[in-house]
Amino acid sequence: AQSVTQLGSHVSVSEGALVLLRCNYSSSVPPYLFWYVQYPNQGLQLLLKYTTGATLVKGINGFEAEFKKSETSFHLTKPSAHMSDAAEYFCAVSDAGFQKLVFGTGTRLLVSP
Amino acid sequence: DVKVTQSSRYLVKRTGEKVFLECVQDMDHENMFWYRQDPGLGLRLIYFSYDVKMKEKGDIPEGYSVSREKKERFSLILESASTNQTSMYLCASLRIAGEWYFGPGTRLTVT
Repeated sequence: AQSVTQLGSHVSVSEGALVLLRCNYSSSVPPYLFWYVQYPNQGLQLLLKYTTGATLVKGINGFEAEFKKSETSFHLTKPSAHMSDAAEYFCAVSDAGFQKLVFGTGTRLLVSP
Repeated sequence: DVKVTQSSRYLVKRTGEKVFLECVQDMDHENMFWYRQDPGLGLRLIYFSYDVKMKEKGDIPEGYSVSREKKERFSLILESASTNQTSMYLCASLRIAGEWYFGPGTRLTVT
């Protein structure tokens, strides 16, 4: 079975600081990995995904994530936080069959001026 | 643009009522999913369907059923709503390239 662990239910940063949201996964098959963002009172929006190929994946709004198989990690980063980045972020894992998308418990990012 | 729509954004029902949550997608996707979202628990899969009239249980199917009579429509049914089913419900459809498209969600309150 696949699973995702997101370390830290809340992460606080100052505007302009580095954003680092951690995600570790467990999968018995090559994983497909995703980061989603949810702004208040809105649905889920795909930030980026890794399926195959380059392990450093760039997404929307300046976010990127690196797939590290040896560490079973897919951490999300952004060099400089904006106030508009305040939202909840979900890491998710699937397999090549795309039968299911398994989510982590989410990390709420708080950005202070 | 793919669109996944859900019949209601907010719904209030009484304990014991039968509740229908409707989801419609407009891109002829084969696979559709129902998740519930709760604070601190993330999104958990209730049921999914990979074809008309086909359904598979997800991780938390108890207390729910589903219906898929047409390809574009996937309904979640709460046979007898209970207060512990108060939650945000998200529908999704899957494109073959591995992209899930999510609806805006239905916030259900059972009193």
